[in-house]
Amino acid sequence: KAGVTQTPRYLIKTRGQQVTLSCSPISGHRSVSWYQQTPGQGLQFLFEYFSETQRNKGNFPGRFSGRQFSNSRSEMNVSTLELGDSALYLCASFRDTNTEAFFGQGTRLTVV
Amino acid sequence: QKEVEQNSGPLSVPEGAIASLNCTYSDRVSQSFFWYRQYSGKSPELIMSIYSNGDKEDGRFTAQLNKASQYVSLLIRDSQPSDSATYLCAVNTGFQKLVFGTGTRLLVSP
Repeated sequence: KAGVTQTPRYLIKTRGQQVTLSCSPISGHRSVSWYQQTPGQGLQFLFEYFSETQRNKGNFPGRFSGRQFSNSRSEMNVSTLELGDSALYLCASFRDTNTEAFFGQGTRLTVV
Repeated sequence: QKEVEQNSGPLSVPEGAIASLNCTYSDRVSQSFFWYRQYSGKSPELIMSIYSNGDKEDGRFTAQLNKASQYVSLLIRDSQPSDSATYLCAVNTGFQKLVFGTGTRLLVSP
């Protein structure tokens, strides 16, 4: 069974640009959540989607947005990139409510 | 008060010893609790999940949950150098929002 797939693995962007990250959950999993991991702040929750609906959102500015498609694949977008957005962005896939989260390999974003 | 607290370590144990990792959480209504292992530069890997009070064993790993004390722990028996990693405690606070501790770095020396 394939795991969670995130693309791309690495990205380098310039301040002010925007970026889109993609996540394909484990087959049959309908919930996807996104996390930002930085050395200073650790793992922080961005948002969660279930059946194309955002059910929960973390404390991030509106520059961070996401969506989920009917096949459960999800994308997150960061607009007007700042140096502080440099981080490992992780996608997690859940089979159902209150079950384990399985993480993808992450996308390492560097903003220069 | 942080929602999920862990000692950052490093916790150093010799090979073959038992490593004990601890975590406390603040949200009393939390229902599910997880331990993840993260190697440097890699993504978190699920080690254990626990949903009810008591112990849950899986191989060399035992998770313990005490909801009254808002405390979760992970015991690693017969620690191996390959267990050296950062261990993250996570609590599901609702709608798949996992709140993570800052992690405990474990070092197992041969």
